[in-house]
Amino acid sequence: EVQLLESGGGLVQPGGSLRLSCAASGFPFSNYALTWVRLAPGRGLEWLSAISGTGNTAYYEASVKGRFTISRDNSNNTLYLQLDSLTVDDTATYFCAKYNSQAPRHGMDLWGQGTTVTVSS
Amino acid sequence: QAGLTQPPSVSKDLGQTATLTCTGDSDNVGNQGAAWLQKHQGHPPKLLSYRNDKRPSGISERFSASRSGNTASLTITGLQPEDEADYYCSAWDRGLNVEVFGGGTKLTVL
Repeated sequence: EVQLLESGGGLVQPGGSLRLSCAASGFPFSNYALTWVRLAPGRGLEWLSAISGTGNTAYYEASVKGRFTISRDNSNNTLYLQLDSLTVDDTATYFCAKYNSQAPRHGMDLWGQGTTVTVSS
Repeated sequence: QAGLTQPPSVSKDLGQTATLTCTGDSDNVGNQGAAWLQKHQGHPPKLLSYRNDKRPSGISERFSASRSGNTASLTITGLQPEDEADYYCSAWDRGLNVEVFGGGTKLTVL
């Protein structure tokens, strides 16, 4: 079955860290760029970061650059997002998604169910 | 963070046609083309179209997309109750090297 499955969300204190994972199956993993997108309560979809199929190139939205780190393990078909220096504004559901191509272009055609991150003291 | 402009809400009657718009600039919509996503509460987003007017397999022909200049459009014909959802456009911005989203349009089917 073609799917993405996120894990690693949870409750964390401000200033803390989390590592999100996204396990992929059913498609040639290294052929496609992958991305993380979040949805905070009362807000719209927010793109965070993407990584090329090879893993050689990473892209970040300005507000998370330096705090979040995207990576992938093509031997284990898994995408990661390391979240550091978390603030209450990072509270959201985090989705991983697959692009249509090796580079992050042309839409995200497969989405995971999401994992929830709550930042609170 | 919304880099593309979408109307916050659109309301249409059952069976009617809704056209949603998404305005960017020559570095994103006008260059790389736009994609459209449908988001129902409690569910992940679903891709409705990409590269301006391409429809993924399994997406109803009632959904069609287009682009004119820096503005992308999504047209939904024969509105059904299940079409009530949030709709987002997105595009890769070649100048910023990021994906930009619209703020989303909440479609209400009356």
